[in-house]
Amino acid sequence: KNQVEQSPQSLIILEGKNCTLQCNYTVSPFSNLRWYKQDTGRGPVSLTIMTFSENTKSNGRYTATLDADTKQSSLHITASQLSDSASYICVVSAAGAGSYQLTFGKGTKLSVIP
Amino acid sequence: DGGITQSPKYLFRKEGQNVTLSCEQNLNHDAMYWYRQDPGQGLRLIYYSQIVNDFQKGDIAEGYSVSREKKESFPLTVTSAQKNPTAFYLCASSIALSGTLQFFGPGTRLTVL
Repeated sequence: KNQVEQSPQSLIILEGKNCTLQCNYTVSPFSNLRWYKQDTGRGPVSLTIMTFSENTKSNGRYTATLDADTKQSSLHITASQLSDSASYICVVSAAGAGSYQLTFGKGTKLSVIP
Repeated sequence: DGGITQSPKYLFRKEGQNVTLSCEQNLNHDAMYWYRQDPGQGLRLIYYSQIVNDFQKGDIAEGYSVSREKKESFPLTVTSAQKNPTAFYLCASSIALSGTLQFFGPGTRLTVL
């Protein structure tokens, strides 16, 4: 069964510090992996999307890495800001045309405090 | 402005009543989806539609119904058969069904009184 596990479940950091969120998956065959940011009470917004051949992708202060061999991804947030407080969701897509192929992680809740 | 809109943002319902949540997109996407989100749980798929007049059950379709009469619209009805309907509902769309970026709407929070 395809699964996506995220860790930690929640995280509290001081403003200005860096942090790394983890995503392990067992989805096969792999197509792509996406990180979303979801503010409380809002819809998720895509941060990055990574395919099998990509190891690193950045979006401002967000940097995602992918190790397709170990089936692990991380999201690194640099110089955190109060506005980074949100849930971060990892979503993995399996390869296969014409059918629904997405598996969602439960998310990591990040709180950035002054 | 291209995007997905959901209405209403907040919805209150008495037990035993059906209620319909609206989802509209102007992205010209073929595929649309409905998810349910509960605290501490990941998003769970309710229904999805690949094209107009076609839709498929997701993992938790019981107590829900949908229609796809127009490409832009994918309303979700929460029926009285849904045992625990209080949740945050998210609509999403993508260019095609598989492996493409999904855009999410702002969500509707349904509370059953």
